[in-house]
Amino acid sequence: GDSVTQMEGPVTLSEEAFLTINCTYTATGYPSLFWYVQYPGEGLQLLLKATKADDKGSNKGFEATYRKETTSFHLEKGSVQVSDSAVYFCALSENTGNQFYFGTGTSLTVIP
Amino acid sequence: NAGVMQNPRHLVRRRGQEARLRCSPMKGHSHVYWYRQLPEEGLKFMVYLQKENIIDESGMPKERFSAEFPKEGPSILRIQQVVRGDSAAYFCASSPFPIPNTGELFFGEGSRLTVL
Repeated sequence: GDSVTQMEGPVTLSEEAFLTINCTYTATGYPSLFWYVQYPGEGLQLLLKATKADDKGSNKGFEATYRKETTSFHLEKGSVQVSDSAVYFCALSENTGNQFYFGTGTSLTVIP
Repeated sequence: NAGVMQNPRHLVRRRGQEARLRCSPMKGHSHVYWYRQLPEEGLKFMVYLQKENIIDESGMPKERFSAEFPKEGPSILRIQQVVRGDSAAYFCASSPFPIPNTGELFFGEGSRLTVL
């Protein structure tokens, strides 16, 4: 069945450091891929998405490229800020079916 | 434009009691999804509802759990005779269209159930 595996946390970085959070997936069809972010005390919100192979999703300085050959969708940011401290979830959705499949979440803390 | 509203945010129950979790979707959204997050695990799909209909309950435990989304009022996730293993965060999400069309869910802040 479908599943998502993401890098375990927690991750602690200094401000302006480079961020990578790894995500790989298993899917039976041709899924869309997503990164959701959960800031403290809030619900999950969509950060970026890619709907087909080689697409790059980007938002707020974050990027992720849909790599079909390596079944990956790694999240990157060149220079993190304290305000990026949150939990990040990788997810996939098949084009048929009714559900998202989420990873376990990676907690990021950025220190000044 | 209010987001997805869940209540209560925190709920404590003793074993054998009932838990009711409520979710009001965003205005204009008729599709509601419930997810559960157990400690150290990702979010797991439970059930997908449209107004007055359960569309997909493949993720719901077969016993003690039920969900509804009436014509008027919020969606309710009901857990009867709670056990310690039901302790988790329960997230509700809504969308204006089914997932395959939009690919985006709008989440509430979650309800954290603790069973003593």
